[in-house]
Amino acid sequence: DADVTQTPRNRITKTGKRIMLECSQTKGHDRMYWYRQDPGLGLRLIYYSFDVKDINKGEISDGYSVSRQAQAKFSLSLESAIPNQTALYFCATSGGIGAANEQFFGPGTRLTVL
Amino acid sequence: RKEVEQDPGPFNVPEGATVAFNCTYSNSASQSFFWYRQDCRKEPKLLMSVYSSGNEDGRFTAQLNRASQYISLLIRDSKLSDSATYLCVVTGNTGFQKLVFGTGTRLLVSP
Repeated sequence: DADVTQTPRNRITKTGKRIMLECSQTKGHDRMYWYRQDPGLGLRLIYYSFDVKDINKGEISDGYSVSRQAQAKFSLSLESAIPNQTALYFCATSGGIGAANEQFFGPGTRLTVL
Repeated sequence: RKEVEQDPGPFNVPEGATVAFNCTYSNSASQSFFWYRQDCRKEPKLLMSVYSSGNEDGRFTAQLNRASQYISLLIRDSKLSDSATYLCVVTGNTGFQKLVFGTGTRLLVSP
């Protein structure tokens, strides 16, 4: 079984809809991250969490919110989806004190907002 | 200027060739450097960390030049399975040293 899983893997939705992307991990890592990837822009950090009680904004958090329900679960919500949120979304985990430790990525969620 | 810049490619090489990619970064305070590999429509995976003294892992060699602020990846004896996008990653200058990803260099190895 995969260590980092994401659901759904693909989603098509309409403008204005609320969407939740879920991430679960069995690696026992404290740190979890949400990124989006767009062609020509690379991965950009949306939110990150160092433990259940710690949530931090990344560089592009506007229009997104997150919830860390447990050490193993970190969900990303789009309260009112818009077309420019169409992207490939990745969840990642790391176990180290600094980002110098390897980040392990989930398989990604491909989101299309019409 | 982007924090991390890479030539997007694609680099088209025959099997057995040696190919090198460079990546430049703008933050002189960056402390950690990595190469990640990403296959089409898949998640990125760590290929190797890049150390100040340079490091080698099989057919892959990574080097860091702090003075010129670039890192490189050399792949020897290219295999078809090396076809992928290679992401240059450095740590930023925030309190928790977030990872900053380049947009990637695409490699296509042909028979």
